[in-house]
Amino acid sequence: DTAVSQTPKYLVTQMGNDKSIKCEQNLGHDTMYWYKQDSKKFLKIMFSYNNKELIINETVPNRFSPKSPDKAHLNLHINSLELGDSAVYFCASSQGRGGYTFGSGTRLTVV
Amino acid sequence: GEDVEQSLFLSVREGDSSVINCTYTDSSSTYLYWYKQEPGAGLQLLTYIFSNMDMKQDQRLTVLLNKKDKHLSLRIADTQTGDSAIYFCAERDAAGNKLTFGGGTRVLVKP
Repeated sequence: DTAVSQTPKYLVTQMGNDKSIKCEQNLGHDTMYWYKQDSKKFLKIMFSYNNKELIINETVPNRFSPKSPDKAHLNLHINSLELGDSAVYFCASSQGRGGYTFGSGTRLTVV
Repeated sequence: GEDVEQSLFLSVREGDSSVINCTYTDSSSTYLYWYKQEPGAGLQLLTYIFSNMDMKQDQRLTVLLNKKDKHLSLRIADTQTGDSAIYFCAERDAAGNKLTFGGGTRVLVKP
């Protein structure tokens, strides 16, 4: 039933590791996004994909690599994790002019 | 570039009305949104308004838009304890490729 689902919900890992976060939407939306929410709750867009094609890459370090195997999935792979990568990462999707539907977030803690 | 500003905090008594304010800079914004985030949860779309409208009402929620002053507000009538959350306003750019969020207003409802 879940519209936008992310896994895992929590991720604790050591500096220097590589990790992935998966996102799937069952709404039939064409566009998917990754947003980062920092400790002060500020939300900033990282990437936007439309029908598997990258639309926005908002000056994100190239340690972050999104992959969209089909329009229902947008995964985020992060190499060489740093302390500053600790945040909540939200996946979202949208269609046309409607609002974005967000997943419940992945809390990443780098130690 | 786009910039969206909100006040940080609002305290209100149960049963009173809450008014959350937001200002934005991008005059080409097409849609403006209000999202609610409860602790540990994702973002829930509350309502949105097209930029050529000046008011929208949806049950207890009233959105007012002053396009000339680039000012958006959300009024919650008969505020309940369950309305305690962080409220984000967001603007959608003209190309429709991304939402830019304000920093969020933390609303605390006191019994």
